[in-house]
Amino acid sequence: EPEVTQTPSHQVTQMGQEVILRCVPISNHLYFYWYRQILGQKVEFLVSFYNNEISEKSEIFDDQFSVERPDGSNFTLKIRSTKLEDSAMYFCASRGLAGVETQYFGPGTRLLVL
Amino acid sequence: AQSVTQPDIHITVSEGASLELRCNYSYGATPYLFWYVQSPGQGLQLLLKYFSGDTLVQGIKGFEAEFKRSQSSFNLRKPSVHWSDAAEYFCAVATNQAGTALIFGKGTTLSVSS
Repeated sequence: EPEVTQTPSHQVTQMGQEVILRCVPISNHLYFYWYRQILGQKVEFLVSFYNNEISEKSEIFDDQFSVERPDGSNFTLKIRSTKLEDSAMYFCASRGLAGVETQYFGPGTRLLVL
Repeated sequence: AQSVTQPDIHITVSEGASLELRCNYSYGATPYLFWYVQSPGQGLQLLLKYFSGDTLVQGIKGFEAEFKRSQSSFNLRKPSVHWSDAAEYFCAVATNQAGTALIFGKGTTLSVSS
């Protein structure tokens, strides 16, 4: 069964450093998402991406964040200058084109900012 | 704006006993409803979803959920819980707009006692 993959599984970085989180969505999916889950809290939407542009973003997704689909398979989330409060689990998700189909989630990247 | 409430933060159930996890949503029209499960250190796995039609939906691992419009609820049930069901359960809602983000509840942690 096709699945969403994410790399790395864990990342530790120093405050102020840039990080790039990578995702490979399911191959025939066209909508892509990033969510985050701060430890002990609920999963929060960050951004959705369709047709090579952001279709929706939350208040969390400020100028420090950016997304890109650099090639036909990868979907990345960049945090330009990490803050302590960016420590969280980051989930990538993808879904197909028709209607409101199910979003399939990757296993997540655990980001720790020191 | 739509929202999801999971009133129970933590539930403990004896193995073999029945389970019901509550979920209430706030949305003007009929939303699309989902239950996801997250095992420790894992990503989010879809248990079941409701888009339309029969209000009782069956999912994986023996779970089912019932959509009740009058109560704005989508409670998750399982007749007999197994120790492996111990995990965190998230209810989520989406509008019927293409590409829309999922809005998650805060989750319910299920512990299973022997």
